Amino acid sequence: DAKTTQPPSMDCAEGRAANLPCNHSTISGNEYVYWYRQIHSQGPQYIIHGLKNNETNEMASLIITEDRKSSTLILPHATLRDTAVYYCIVMNYTGKLIFGQGTTLQVKP
Amino acid sequence: NAGVMQNPRHLVRRRGQEARLRCSPVKGHSHVYWYRQLPEEGLKFMVYLQKENIIDESGMPKERFSAEFPKEGPSILRIQQVVRGDSAAYFCASSPPSRTVNTEAFFGQGTRLTVV
Repeated sequence: DAKTTQPPSMDCAEGRAANLPCNHSTISGNEYVYWYRQIHSQGPQYIIHGLKNNETNEMASLIITEDRKSSTLILPHATLRDTAVYYCIVMNYTGKLIFGQGTTLQVKP
Repeated sequence: NAGVMQNPRHLVRRRGQEARLRCSPVKGHSHVYWYRQLPEEGLKFMVYLQKENIIDESGMPKERFSAEFPKEGPSILRIQQVVRGDSAAYFCASSPPSRTVNTEAFFGQGTRLTVV
């Protein structure tokens, strides 16, 4: 499984965009990048995923570099409820999600 | 979390007792994954099951732990002779039959096991 590297923590002001980076330099051609988040001790919540094209949904945007070695999750207008641990995961054909330590995002008023 | 139901939400067991954790996947989903989260730690993969089959149990402890996903009914994670170190949150996720790397998995709210 390709390894991901994320900063352990980040702060963001409420209402501003939160940009969460992730490095996955060993990603293979058929592996997808997934983002999940965990608020407090709730179950992980799916956010978005992509292969090589940028993706956008109602929650966030995912920007994947052309070489696919890194990506950025963008929460366009962060709110206090977006405070959570964000996990960037590279998933292969097994469908198994391997969680790292993630980035703790603190949204501040 | 898209309908994955886990019960009980909280479970207290004395050392040496058995713990049974249930997971009802999203209707129509036939793939189930179990994860464990120890206090202040990340989620660790335990086991991946399809209906009546264990696909990957590489994260399961070798003893006392077992999992099943029968043709009918929920998936069950069973812990025999629990010890204090088993105290953790156990999460279940499910995904559809057409499982590919392009299909997201949805998680339940977890079962918090406390061993006293």
